[in-house]
Amino acid sequence: AQKITQTQPGMFVQEKEAVTLDCTYDTSDQSYGLFWYKQPSSGEMIFLIYQGSYDEQNATEGRYSLNFQKARKSANLVISASQLGDSAMYFCAMREGRRNQGGKLIFGQGTELSVKP
Amino acid sequence: GAVVSQHPSWVICKSGTSVKIECRSLDFQATTMFWYRQFPKQSLMLMATSNEGSKATYEQGVEKDKFLINHASLTLSTLTVTSAHPEDSSFYICSAGGGLAGYEQYFGPGTRLTVT
Repeated sequence: AQKITQTQPGMFVQEKEAVTLDCTYDTSDQSYGLFWYKQPSSGEMIFLIYQGSYDEQNATEGRYSLNFQKARKSANLVISASQLGDSAMYFCAMREGRRNQGGKLIFGQGTELSVKP
Repeated sequence: GAVVSQHPSWVICKSGTSVKIECRSLDFQATTMFWYRQFPKQSLMLMATSNEGSKATYEQGVEKDKFLINHASLTLSTLTVTSAHPEDSSFYICSAGGGLAGYEQYFGPGTRLTVT
């Protein structure tokens, strides 16, 4: 069965520094997708970045990059140059199946990131 | 990106009444929609998968007679919480995927339900 694990309930980072949020996953499928979402206090889910299981390059989107280590089944999110607006809950999620199948997501427990001025 | 709306954004109802929450994909056709529930400081838990024109698929432990899901068209899915109780108070979020949305799931802004 699918499982996503985020072991850091809360993290602090100084403004302008980089931070890594951990995510490990478990699946028996060869084809899957990994997502990171940001959820501010308003509750909306903001898509940050996606990594497909067959993607050879680590995904990057602006200040976000995904450190994908397939053999270790980890998909850590790296946020560079943290900003005060980055303070939020961050969720790692996984979808089994190919990228255009739009399947259900299984979420990790989340990490609450606080950026200090 | 694609836009998904939810209505209402928040609702307060009395115990024993039913509440309907709508989820609409505004600029794309969503063959599949998903309903999640989130308690404070917790993760999103998938409740059910809603497919246009067919019955919803519920996750284990979710009462299908209590949480009625209808996916009447490619742009609208509804979740009805029947005979609501205080323990049903939660944040309900829908997402839409499939069709032109590709690999992403687009989330609605969520509905905060409080049952008194």
